[in-house]
Amino acid sequence: GDSVTQMEGPVTLSEEAFLTINCTYTATGYPSLFWYVQYPGEGLQLLLKATKADDKGSNKGFEATYRKETTSFHLEKGSVQVSDSAVYFCALRKSGGSYIPTFGRGTSLIVHP
Amino acid sequence: DTAVSQTPKYLVTQMGNDKSIKCEQNLGHDTMYWYKQDSKKFLKIMFSYNNKELIINETVPNRFSPKSPDKAHLNLHINSLELGDSAVYFCASSQDRKTGNTGELFFGEGSRLTVL
Repeated sequence: GDSVTQMEGPVTLSEEAFLTINCTYTATGYPSLFWYVQYPGEGLQLLLKATKADDKGSNKGFEATYRKETTSFHLEKGSVQVSDSAVYFCALRKSGGSYIPTFGRGTSLIVHP
Repeated sequence: DTAVSQTPKYLVTQMGNDKSIKCEQNLGHDTMYWYKQDSKKFLKIMFSYNNKELIINETVPNRFSPKSPDKAHLNLHINSLELGDSAVYFCASSQDRKTGNTGELFFGEGSRLTVL
């Protein structure tokens, strides 16, 4: 079945450091890929998405590129801020068949001043 | 207006009780979900429901039941609460992927259930 694998956290960085959170997936067909962010005490919200191979999603300084050849969708940011501290979830959703999305286990990011 | 709203936000109750969590979405979506998030932030799908079908995660105990009075509401009812039911429960909605939308989910803020 479909699956999403994220690097385990927590990831701890100093402010202005470069961030990478790895995400790889297994799925048949051509899924859409997503990154969601969950700030403390809140629900998940969409951060960015990509719907086909080689698409780049971007938002709030975060970027991720849909790499079909490596089945990856790594999240990057050039300079993190304390306010980026949150849990990040990678997810996929198929273009046909079951509409239930598949989430990774989440990666906690802690940014220190 | 909040797109996906859940009530109550906090719920503290005794083992053995029955409780409900309500969810409403005003986005006009046709699909709604319930997720359980444990203390390690792992998200587990419990149910998904649209006007065509209910899909139940087979690992969910039958003490949990979704109730949908209409397309905009999907409530979660839990019978005979147990200690292990303590978690944060999230409601979400989306437009069915098959209609051509990219299918992002919109989440409520969560309902923290504590069973004593």
